[in-house]
Amino acid sequence: KQEVTQIPAALSVPEGENLVLNCSFTDSAIYNLQWFRQDPGKGLTSLLLIQSSQREQTSGRLNASLDKSSGRSTLYIAASQPGDSATYLCAVWSGGGGADGLTFGKGTHLIIQP
Amino acid sequence: GAVVSQHPSRVICKSGTSVKIECRSLDFQATTMFWYRQFPKQSLMLMATSNEGSKATYEQGVEKDKFLINHASLTLSTLTVTSAHPEDSSFYICSARGVVQGGQGDEQYFGPGTRLTVT
Repeated sequence: KQEVTQIPAALSVPEGENLVLNCSFTDSAIYNLQWFRQDPGKGLTSLLLIQSSQREQTSGRLNASLDKSSGRSTLYIAASQPGDSATYLCAVWSGGGGADGLTFGKGTHLIIQP
Repeated sequence: GAVVSQHPSRVICKSGTSVKIECRSLDFQATTMFWYRQFPKQSLMLMATSNEGSKATYEQGVEKDKFLINHASLTLSTLTVTSAHPEDSSFYICSARGVVQGGQGDEQYFGPGTRLTVT
């Protein structure tokens, strides 16, 4: 059974710093990996999707990498801003003929101090 | 594109009553829809997978008679929590999978969620 772990569980840094969030998964046979952002009491916002054949994806100040063979992904946030404060979730899709849902990590709760 | 809506966004009901939550893909056809549940400070957990025109597939530990899922069309799935109890209070989020123009492939697109409180 696929398991997704995110480290750290919580992180608080001053504004302007670059930071890295980590995600690992136990079964490397994935189709894709997604990073989401969740604000308190809200739904999910998809940030980046990396297909299993890709090594990284970039969107603005965000860069996500994927090392499928080692079961790891990182989300790099450059020049952090207070508005980046949220919970960041990593999720993998293991396929199953397209009928399986995503397996989520427990998230990293990020606070950017002004 | 790729917008998924949920209705209602928030609902409070009394113990023993049933609550229906709708999930709609507004601008694409969803081959599959998924229902997740999130308890406070926990991650999302998949409850069931819903395919249009067929029975839903439930994850282990999820009672199919309690959480009724109907996927009537390629744009609508409903989750009915029957005989709700306080322990069913949670944040329910749906997602829809489909090929969307400009997307990277067979992505999942998430609804905004429904906060259910059972008193």
